Amino acid sequence: DAGITQSPRHKVTETGTPVTLRCHQTENHRYMYWYRQDPGHGLRLIHYSYGVKDTDKGEVSDGYSVSRSKTEDFLLTLESATSSQTSVYFCAIGDGAETQYFGPGTRLLVL
Amino acid sequence: AQTVTQSQPEMSVQEAETVTLSCTYDTSESDYYLFWYKQPPSRQMILVIRQEAYKQQNATENRFSVNFQKAAKSFSLKISDSQLGDAAMYFCASLYNNNDMRFGAGTRLTVKP
Repeated sequence: DAGITQSPRHKVTETGTPVTLRCHQTENHRYMYWYRQDPGHGLRLIHYSYGVKDTDKGEVSDGYSVSRSKTEDFLLTLESATSSQTSVYFCAIGDGAETQYFGPGTRLLVL
Repeated sequence: AQTVTQSQPEMSVQEAETVTLSCTYDTSESDYYLFWYKQPPSRQMILVIRQEAYKQQNATENRFSVNFQKAAKSFSLKISDSQLGDAAMYFCASLYNNNDMRFGAGTRLTVKP
């Protein structure tokens, strides 16, 4: 398995609170991604990074921000969590137009 | 934008038999990649097989093979000699421009002993 960890693995929070999810890799891959998985939608890209401090929006970026200050870490922040952001969040890494390898996922419940 | 469609929400197969999962995609790009990922109950996304669009030869990985029909924009997955451990959700995905990966909604595969 590619060296990707996500923390926390599970989180319950209340509407309106900020939440930060962390993705950490040990593979030194240039690209990192955040996806959310919801029933009936497969996985959808939220944001991605193509290098330190270089990020861009994905298909469903509203309500999310990201930061990448080091090659190995990619943070996803929900500034003010809403119930519609209840989901399973996956981090992935890749080294270009090749395969993406996924982390174990974080289950987030917003009450 | 690319779209990926998996028209079979659920499929079942008898152990040791062969099953084919369907996937169609829509893109205007000429250079892209196609993937099948497996997601068991653990939720880990596991790469099953990958196909480069510029290659005419169908990809094969042990018991897993694809039927890639570029003109028809079809990318089906064949699982031969099905095993109980193959039971999972299977997602078809397309990737172009390095970062725009689109997934289908998934097919749940049940393997009957």
